[in-house]
Amino acid sequence: GDSVTQMEGPVTLSEEAFLTINCTYTATGYPSLFWYVQYPGEGLQLLLKATKADDKGSNKGFEATYRKETTSFHLEKGSVQVSDSAVYFCALSAHILTGGGNKLTFGTGTQLKVEL
Amino acid sequence: DAGVTQSPTHLIKTRGQQVTLRCSPKSGHDTVSWYQQALGQGPQFIFQYYEEEERQRGNFPDRFSGHQFPNYSSELNVNALLLGDSALYLCASNRGQGIYEQYFGPGTRLTVT
Repeated sequence: GDSVTQMEGPVTLSEEAFLTINCTYTATGYPSLFWYVQYPGEGLQLLLKATKADDKGSNKGFEATYRKETTSFHLEKGSVQVSDSAVYFCALSAHILTGGGNKLTFGTGTQLKVEL
Repeated sequence: DAGVTQSPTHLIKTRGQQVTLRCSPKSGHDTVSWYQQALGQGPQFIFQYYEEEERQRGNFPDRFSGHQFPNYSSELNVNALLLGDSALYLCASNRGQGIYEQYFGPGTRLTVT
């Protein structure tokens, strides 16, 4: 079945440091890939997405490129801020062949802590 | 434009009881999915509703059931609650049955004692 593997956290960085959170996936067919962010006590917010190979999703300084050859979708940001502290989830969505619809399969999440 | 809303925010139930959680999708969305997020874990797909029918189901027992109403809102029912059902229950919505990004509500925190 479909699965997503993320690097374990917590990841602790100083403000303005470079961020990489690794994500690899296993899926049949050609899934869409997403990064969601969850701030403490809140639900999930879509951060960025990519729907086909070599697509680059970007938002709020974060970016990730859909790499089909390495089945990866690593999240990067050039200069993190304290306000970026949250849990980041990599997810994939593959169209369900029978019955239609789609579902998200999530990784276990990576907690990011940014310190001054 | 109202986003996905869920009620209640928090809920405390006793083992063996039944619970109903509610969700209103984002305006313009007709598909609702439910996820269970245990502490420190990623969300797990429970089921998805479209056109008032359950379209897909994850690996959850029959104690978990749902409903979608003509206005696209949805309920999640859990019977015979177990301690292990304690989690954050997230509702997500999207439009149609293609691969569209899902928008999440703030969740309902269920505690079973």
